[in-house]
Amino acid sequence: DAKTTQPPSMDCAEGRAANLPCNHSTISGNEYVYWYRQIHSQGPQYIIHGLKNNETNEMASLIITEDRKSSTLILPHATLRDTAVYYCIVRPQYGNKLVFGAGTILRVKS
Amino acid sequence: DAGVTQSPTHLIKTRGQQVTLRCSPKSGHDTVSWYQQALGQGPQFIFQYYEEEERQRGNFPDRFSGHQFPNYSSELNVNALLLGDSALYLCASSLVGQGTGYTFGSGTRLTVV
Repeated sequence: DAKTTQPPSMDCAEGRAANLPCNHSTISGNEYVYWYRQIHSQGPQYIIHGLKNNETNEMASLIITEDRKSSTLILPHATLRDTAVYYCIVRPQYGNKLVFGAGTILRVKS
Repeated sequence: DAGVTQSPTHLIKTRGQQVTLRCSPKSGHDTVSWYQQALGQGPQFIFQYYEEEERQRGNFPDRFSGHQFPNYSSELNVNALLLGDSALYLCASSLVGQGTGYTFGSGTRLTVV
């Protein structure tokens, strides 16, 4: 599975959009970009995934660059409850395991 | 609809002892994976079970073993515990062939003293 690079931490004001970047320059053609988050003392929670088109669901939007070497997770209106560690993972859609990096600690502040 | 259930939530063991952790997958899921998460780090894949067989394994020693039962529930066993085995152990379930995300439990916090 391709490796990913994320900033160690980010701050965001409550109510503003949170934009979390991820670099995955070695991504291969059959690999998807997945995002999970982990709120303190809980297991990771699936957010969204995509291949090459931008995706949106009730939680977030995923923007993938045309060359697929980077992506951005967007939380449109961040709340205090969005404070968590966010993990960007690249893997085949039907791959068996998730390879977690260190992730980005997002702190939403009032 | 219950999600992934893990038990116990916390436990303390002594070096050299053995421990068994349990996981019930989300209803409708047939695949169970186990992860170890040390403090301040991302989860690390231990192994995955499907149809009662270990299908894939991460870089963990043979002291770590598992089992999946006909009802899809699973156990993680760790023998000869070391201080370094202290971690949060996470169980994740999924449905084979489903490309969407795994569902994780809240984990078992194991402390080895």
